[in-house]
Amino acid sequence: SQQGEEDPQALSIQEGENATMNCSYKTSINNLQWYRQNSGRGLVHLILIRSNEREKHSGRLRVTLDTSKKSSSLLITASRAADTASYFCATVPHSGAGSYQLTFGKGTKLSVIP
Amino acid sequence: SAVISQKPSRDICQRGTSLTIQCQVDSQVTMMFWYRQQPGQSLTLIATANQGSEATYESGFVIDKFPISRPNLTFSTLTVSNMSPEDSSIYLCSVEGLADSYEQYFGPGTRLTVT
Repeated sequence: SQQGEEDPQALSIQEGENATMNCSYKTSINNLQWYRQNSGRGLVHLILIRSNEREKHSGRLRVTLDTSKKSSSLLITASRAADTASYFCATVPHSGAGSYQLTFGKGTKLSVIP
Repeated sequence: SAVISQKPSRDICQRGTSLTIQCQVDSQVTMMFWYRQQPGQSLTLIATANQGSEATYESGFVIDKFPISRPNLTFSTLTVSNMSPEDSSIYLCSVEGLADSYEQYFGPGTRLTVT
């Protein structure tokens, strides 16, 4: 079953603006990851945040995690046309069988207009 | 990071036929995963394939419909059997990243259209 729910489903911004995408999940997690997919191709791993972390940065990416609300956000600063893609959050369960399995959210389709 | 290739990259098939998708990795990995992405949707895990054991299928997916082979640590195949238009999707394989990293590396996907 789907674990993460992203919002918005689609986001259109001007180049240079910031883009924020949100993800909610339902069960206890070990970590949450964000992936990017360009035009129905393979996914690229962007960033991983563990359940005991609250914020993480990687270049123009900033991810936050609120385990009390079971939610995460991905912020892309100073967006570029090349950031146009679909972004998915994915969760890894806290423990037990399938602890390496990713459960993906529905994704946010980001369009950055030059 | 692992480099993953898939064959074919895309195919158009008639209903009732079967298609075998290949996934090749440039390094040895224990776990390989197969996902389905229906048009405009997110990814759904079909099964986990470990070398030397039977694949583990997720709820809603059965071996008769999606048989998987894992003959060695760098290769796996997924067959979509007795296809119907509802099987039109992108099929992606992925592998685990570095030990205990939890991240996965994905192949470019196989875009399947069933007519």
